[in-house]
Amino acid sequence: EVKLEESGGDLVQAGESLRLSCAASGLTFSNYWMSWVRQAPGRGLEWVATMREDGTEKYNVDSVKGRFTISRDNTENLLFLEMNSLRADDTAVYFCARDFYGEGFFDHWGQGTLVTVSS
Amino acid sequence: QSVLSQPPSASGTPGQRVTMSCSGSSSNIGSTFVFWYQLLPGTAPRLLIWRDDNRPSGVPDRFSGSKSGTSASLAISGLRSDDEADYYCASWDDSLSGVVFGGGTKLTVL
Repeated sequence: EVKLEESGGDLVQAGESLRLSCAASGLTFSNYWMSWVRQAPGRGLEWVATMREDGTEKYNVDSVKGRFTISRDNTENLLFLEMNSLRADDTAVYFCARDFYGEGFFDHWGQGTLVTVSS
Repeated sequence: QSVLSQPPSASGTPGQRVTMSCSGSSSNIGSTFVFWYQLLPGTAPRLLIWRDDNRPSGVPDRFSGSKSGTSASLAISGLRSDDEADYYCASWDDSLSGVVFGGGTKLTVL
């Protein structure tokens, strides 16, 4: 059974940094693209970032460019999201998801971790 | 404003068939695949339809997807009370080099 478990969410002040982690099990992690998707309170789903299996390609939404960095450790089956210069509008539940072909094909999701940015 | 456009709400009675639309452009739906997700409050999103019209194992055949040009649709037949949820379409956008979601359609079962 594929299991994705996010951690690292917290209450922080605007301008501060946070690092989210996603621990994957039940899959050959190094074979899959992985992504972060968020949902702000009362809002819809928003794709944040995606990384190729081997880390050679990564993409992110314009609103986080230069502030958020996606990375992965295939030896430890971990996905990360380094978030810097956090803003109030980054407040959201952040989900880790397996992206089967790197095209928005999110077939497995974690339960999410809450990031709250106080201004 | 979402790149993919979805009606904010839809409704139906138990047993009825409802459809919801997702409108995009030539840089997303018109040239790549569409995916549909169901989101219940407090739960992780669930993949309903992949690559336009395919159902993952475990998703009932009451759910079906279709696509034509730059638009896609999700249909739910035999509507049940536990289908009440938010539904999102998604697609890769070649111009933005990223995944775009619709704003979501809130389905109410009357």
